[in-house]
Amino acid sequence: GQSLEQPSEVTAVEGAIVQINCTYQTSGFYGLSWYQQHDGGAPTFLSYNALDGLEETGRFSSFLSRSDSYGYLLLQELQMKDSASYFCAVTSGNTPLVFGKGTRLSVIA
Amino acid sequence: DTAVSQTPKYLVTQMGNDKSIKCEQNLGHDTMYWYKQDSKKFLKIMFSYNNKELIINETVPNRFSPKSPDKAHLNLHINSLELGDSAVYFCASSQESGFQETQYFGPGTRLLVL
Repeated sequence: GQSLEQPSEVTAVEGAIVQINCTYQTSGFYGLSWYQQHDGGAPTFLSYNALDGLEETGRFSSFLSRSDSYGYLLLQELQMKDSASYFCAVTSGNTPLVFGKGTRLSVIA
Repeated sequence: DTAVSQTPKYLVTQMGNDKSIKCEQNLGHDTMYWYKQDSKKFLKIMFSYNNKELIINETVPNRFSPKSPDKAHLNLHINSLELGDSAVYFCASSQESGFQETQYFGPGTRLLVL
């Protein structure tokens, strides 16, 4: 089976940088995705890593190390609107996305 | 235009009733999904359809039956509703059946069973 571990909660100050880690166990790993979900909203896609390294999209970056079965989402210049839940999810071959339990990020002034 | 839409947005019903949730996507995607998100926000896939064909059916009670009249629609019918069915149900779609594809989620249907 597949399993993912990510912190349940993270708090950070507006303007700061925060890193949300995700470790996974799966066979036939294909890629690691990140989704954002605001309270009462739907999950929305943020990033996808299939290869080792850092992918940058604006204030958000995502990193993957396949050898360590580890990835992280980096959010820079935090804004209050970044307060949300962040889910890592793995794809393995043709199996559907398996989501982690989510990390609730609270951005404080 | 809404990419993935679901109706209804809220559904409150009594135990034992039968209800349906509808989903439509206008993205031209081939694959559609149903997810259940429980009160702890755990998001779990229930079903996946590719071009109207069922390709994934996770461990879900057979009271749940998906129906795909065409590749733009995937409806979910639930028989004999139970208290534990209370959750948010999300429909999603992706371009192809390769699950590494980005998934686009609908706004969710909040189901409360009393």
